[in-house]
Amino acid sequence: NAGVMQNPRHLVRRRGQEARLRCSPMKGHSHVYWYRQLPEEGLKFMVYLQKENIIDESGMPKERFSAEFPKEGPSILRIQQVVRGDSAAYFCASSPGGAREQYFGPGTRLTVT
Amino acid sequence: QKEVEQNSGPLSVPEGAIASLNCTYSDRGSQSFFWYRQYSGKSPELIMSIYSNGDKEDGRFTAQLNKASQYVSLLIRDSQPSDSATYLCAVLVLWSNNNDMRFGAGTRLTVKP
Repeated sequence: NAGVMQNPRHLVRRRGQEARLRCSPMKGHSHVYWYRQLPEEGLKFMVYLQKENIIDESGMPKERFSAEFPKEGPSILRIQQVVRGDSAAYFCASSPGGAREQYFGPGTRLTVT
Repeated sequence: QKEVEQNSGPLSVPEGAIASLNCTYSDRGSQSFFWYRQYSGKSPELIMSIYSNGDKEDGRFTAQLNKASQYVSLLIRDSQPSDSATYLCAVLVLWSNNNDMRFGAGTRLTVKP
C-alpha cells in the first residue's frame, strides 16, 4: 500500500512566481491536511480538505494561498506571487477519517529566491 | 498558554537508558493523542496513538495518558542512537463538523553511544 505521495520534493521559485504543490493521499484515505514547517520550528496547520470540499482553512493565509482536492486527482496547494517568507517545507497528511491518525508524505521543500 | 506544550530539549540520554518525553494540553475536549518521530530533514512518522487513560505499549515504546491531568507521555526503553530525533506530540480535538489536530513544537532527543 503506497504511502502519501507528494511532488515535487524540491521546488525553487523566484519571487512573484507561482508554486503548485501536489499531494496524493494513501489509498482509501479521503481526508487531506496541509502543514507548513519552517526550519527549527513546529508544524503549522494550514488547511483540511475532503474530496471537493474545504473543511477548515483557518490556518491558511487569506491572500495568495489556495487549496483544492478535486473529485479526481491529487490535492493541490497553490501559492501565487511567492515571497521569500514562503520558503519552507510543506507537508501533506492523509487520514481514513476525520477523527483518525494522520500519515505524512515526504514533503515539498520550497525555496524562493 | 500554548495548546500543546512540550519541552523543546534537547534531551540527552545515554544508550540503553529510558528516555521520557512529556506533553501537556489545554483543551479538555481532546480525544485522541499521538506521538510522531521526525528525523532532521524528513517528514513526521507516526509511532504511537493512545485514546484512553492508562498505558499502551508497543515494543520499546510506551505511551501514557492521564486525561484528568491533561498529560501524555512517551517512554522509550533501551534507547538507541537511532532514536535520536525530534518527537512531536499531537492532540486531536473533535468538533461537531470538524476535527482539529494540534501539534506541539517537539522535543529533540539525543541518544549518546
